[in-house]
Amino acid sequence: DAGVIQSPRHEVTEMGQEVTLRCKPISGHDYLFWYRQTMMRGLELLIYFNNNVPIDDSGMPEDRFSAKMPNASFSTLKIQPSEPRDSAVYFCAGGDGSNYGYTFGSGTRLTVV
Amino acid sequence: RKEVEQDPGPFNVPEGATVAFNCTYSNSASQSFFWYRQDCRKEPKLLMSVYSSGNEDGRFTAQLNRASQYISLLIRDSKLSDSATYLCVVTSGGGADGLTFGKGTHLIIQP
Repeated sequence: DAGVIQSPRHEVTEMGQEVTLRCKPISGHDYLFWYRQTMMRGLELLIYFNNNVPIDDSGMPEDRFSAKMPNASFSTLKIQPSEPRDSAVYFCAGGDGSNYGYTFGSGTRLTVV
Repeated sequence: RKEVEQDPGPFNVPEGATVAFNCTYSNSASQSFFWYRQDCRKEPKLLMSVYSSGNEDGRFTAQLNRASQYISLLIRDSKLSDSATYLCVVTSGGGADGLTFGKGTHLIIQP
């Protein structure tokens, strides 16, 4: 199993541009999470899906952020338009809802200049 | 009060020593607890789940105190490779609901 796969690993973009982050979860994991990590705020849950359905998006900062999960093997997080304060590491994580924890992807380091 | 609180450290500990740190949580309905480890510029990785009866995995021991609403992590005979940030994770419901991370405790093991 290749684990949770995120792309791109690094993204540098100019303010105002659209950014799309991608995640391929582990097969069989019913839950998929998007997190953002910064030094100041730590790991913040943005949104999570269960069986491809968004369950809780209360952590999404504002309307500029949107996430989709069209099928069990793919999810995207989109920021449009991007702002410098969106600069962070964005992690995708998955799990089966058991007491065995969750597996994270390697993250996308986003820099908005 | 923050939902999950940890002492950010850093904890500077000599190699071979025993180190322990706690994590407090505010939601008494919290059901599942985990410790994750995060190395610099890497993703968090599950270290161990924390069970009500406490559990041990080699040099690592995790305990849960529901009455005082904290979990602890004890590392014995610390190794240089234990240097990392240790994140406390608490879920407030069944399954994946309410997965909340602490900001982590930074541990540095010194030779």
